[in-house]
Amino acid sequence: AQSVAQPEDQVNVAEGNPLTVKCTYSVSGNPYLFWYVQYPNRGLQFLLKYITGDNLVKGSYGFEAEFNKSQTSFHLKKPSALVSDSALYFCAVRDRGNSSYKLIFGSGTRLLVRP
Amino acid sequence: DTAVSQTPKYLVTQMGNDKSIKCEQNLGHDTMYWYKQDSKKFLKIMFSYNNKELIINETVPNRFSPKSPDKAHLNLHINSLELGDSAVYFCASSQAAYTEAFFGQGTRLTVV
Repeated sequence: AQSVAQPEDQVNVAEGNPLTVKCTYSVSGNPYLFWYVQYPNRGLQFLLKYITGDNLVKGSYGFEAEFNKSQTSFHLKKPSALVSDSALYFCAVRDRGNSSYKLIFGSGTRLLVRP
Repeated sequence: DTAVSQTPKYLVTQMGNDKSIKCEQNLGHDTMYWYKQDSKKFLKIMFSYNNKELIINETVPNRFSPKSPDKAHLNLHINSLELGDSAVYFCASSQAAYTEAFFGQGTRLTVV
């Protein structure tokens, strides 16, 4: 069965410092991987995705993520954090097989960027 | 131009009532979803429809009945509401099964 793990409930970082939000996944084959952000009382906004090709993908607001097949990870990164990046971040995975209609989310990681 | 819109945004109702949440997408997508986000922010898929056909039903109680009158709409009807149904319900859509999903702003359901 597909699953996604976000091992950190919260990540704290100072503004201007690099940030990493961790994600590992488990699927039967090669996955489609996504990152979303949720601001308070809002829906989820798509940040970036990995489908195939280059392991480093770039997305919105300066975020990027690196697909590592051997470690089954897809960590979200940003070189320099902003206070406005503070939000709830979700990693998600789709299987490429018959379960591709199911987008499975991790438990979320709250990012707090302090001034 | 809202891509995925849900109504109502807030819904407060008593136990035992029946209520519906409507969802519309103007993106021309083939696949639509309902997700439930609980108080701990866990997101769990409930249903997935493709071209008006039910593809995924994640062991949701029979009190929940989705209906897709056309590809652009996926409504959620809930019978005999229970306290445990209180949550934020998100509708979403995607062009194909492997692409990113676009989410509505959510419907906060409170059962009292």
